[in-house]
Amino acid sequence: DTGVSQNPRHKITKRGQNVTFRCDPISEHNRLYWYRQTLGQGPEFLTYFQNEAQLEKSRLLSDRFSAERPKGSFSTLEIQRTEQGDSAMYLCASSLDQGDYGYTFGSGTRLTVV
Amino acid sequence: AQKITQTQPGMFVQEKEAVTLDCTYDTSDPSYGLFWYKQPSSGEMIFLIYQGSYDQQNATEGRYSLNFQKARKSANLVISASQLGDSAMYFCAMRERRSGSARQLTFGSGTQLTVLP
Repeated sequence: DTGVSQNPRHKITKRGQNVTFRCDPISEHNRLYWYRQTLGQGPEFLTYFQNEAQLEKSRLLSDRFSAERPKGSFSTLEIQRTEQGDSAMYLCASSLDQGDYGYTFGSGTRLTVV
Repeated sequence: AQKITQTQPGMFVQEKEAVTLDCTYDTSDPSYGLFWYKQPSSGEMIFLIYQGSYDQQNATEGRYSLNFQKARKSANLVISASQLGDSAMYFCAMRERRSGSARQLTFGSGTQLTVLP
């Protein structure tokens, strides 16, 4: 297992376009998280999946954002009608139920909206 | 109020010396966990060390140790014998039991560590 994989690594898009990111967690991990990290800040929680169920969403996740995790495996994060303020690193993390020793993060997708 | 405060935006340390990165936290939850992550320029968040609120001893993992002072709500990371490869951004994070089923992490703003040859 090569860890948590995120694609693409970089995405440049024009304002108003839709973008979709993919996260492949560690195969036996049933918990999956999305975080957003802006320049000079720590990551901020966006949403959480337990298997295929999206159980929590942050207030940061506006109506333009949607996340799915069909069949409890990979997850996608879509941003519709992108705005310049959406420019950030989008990090995915996965863990087992307990997760007491931290989550495994992917390398992130860096989004630039021009 | 900030839940995790890292007051050192940047730190420099000479190779082979020890360095302490500060972290204070704010919670009324009696059960919580504290984490430190390293983020090199590649972007990946690398887990370093974990301290549970009920742990009696300070956590250690190789060259990393966590100086946990519960009454002062501080969880400083100590890196011994710094190496050039330790140059990175370091984040302190907390997970509170009352955060619900997600038990997500709350991160500080980070400290950029530079190890000088």
